[in-house]
Amino acid sequence: EDQVTQSPEALRLQEGESSSLNCSYTVSGLRGLFWYRQDPGKGPEFLFTLYSAGEEKEKERLKATLTKKESFLHITAPKPEDSATYLCAVQPGRGGSNYKLTFGKGTLLTVNP
Amino acid sequence: TAGITQAPTSQILAAGRSMTLRCTQDMRHNAMYWYRQDLGLGLRLIHYSNTAGTTGKGEVPDGYSVSRANTDDFPLTLASAVPSQTSVYFCASRGTGYTGGYTFGSGTRLTVV
Repeated sequence: EDQVTQSPEALRLQEGESSSLNCSYTVSGLRGLFWYRQDPGKGPEFLFTLYSAGEEKEKERLKATLTKKESFLHITAPKPEDSATYLCAVQPGRGGSNYKLTFGKGTLLTVNP
Repeated sequence: TAGITQAPTSQILAAGRSMTLRCTQDMRHNAMYWYRQDLGLGLRLIHYSNTAGTTGKGEVPDGYSVSRANTDDFPLTLASAVPSQTSVYFCASRGTGYTGGYTFGSGTRLTVV
């Protein structure tokens, strides 16, 4: 059974204080690992897809990295507007074109001014 | 604006009543999904459809049914609601290829009393 564990559950940072969120996964043949951002009362918003160990993706203050067992979402010099819940999800390699994702429970990030 | 439209935004439903949550997309995506999101449990897949005319069961399908008569619409029906179905429901879609993640709707907040 595919499993995704995110840590910490909640993280509070001061503006400008860099940190990382962790996503550990167990999946049968990883086809893709996804990061999403979710604001209160809204649906998740796609951030990144990572496909193979060693891959990195960047967007503004966010950088996602991938190893064979986990992914990190690095946040550099965060701003209050980066406050949100960050979700990690995996797509297994089995199942052909079946794109079902398994999500972690998320990390609630709060950035104080 | 292209995307996914969910209706209603919120609903209070008496236990034992039936209800259909509507989901419409205008991106011509083949695959569509229904997830429920509960505090402490994260996003869990209810049902999915890889293409019009086909559907499949996800992780938590009991008490729910879906249909996919065309590409754009993917309604979720609760035949006889129970309080444990109180949740936020998200519809999502995905086009072909591996470059992008799901596109999510804004969600339906359902309370069964």
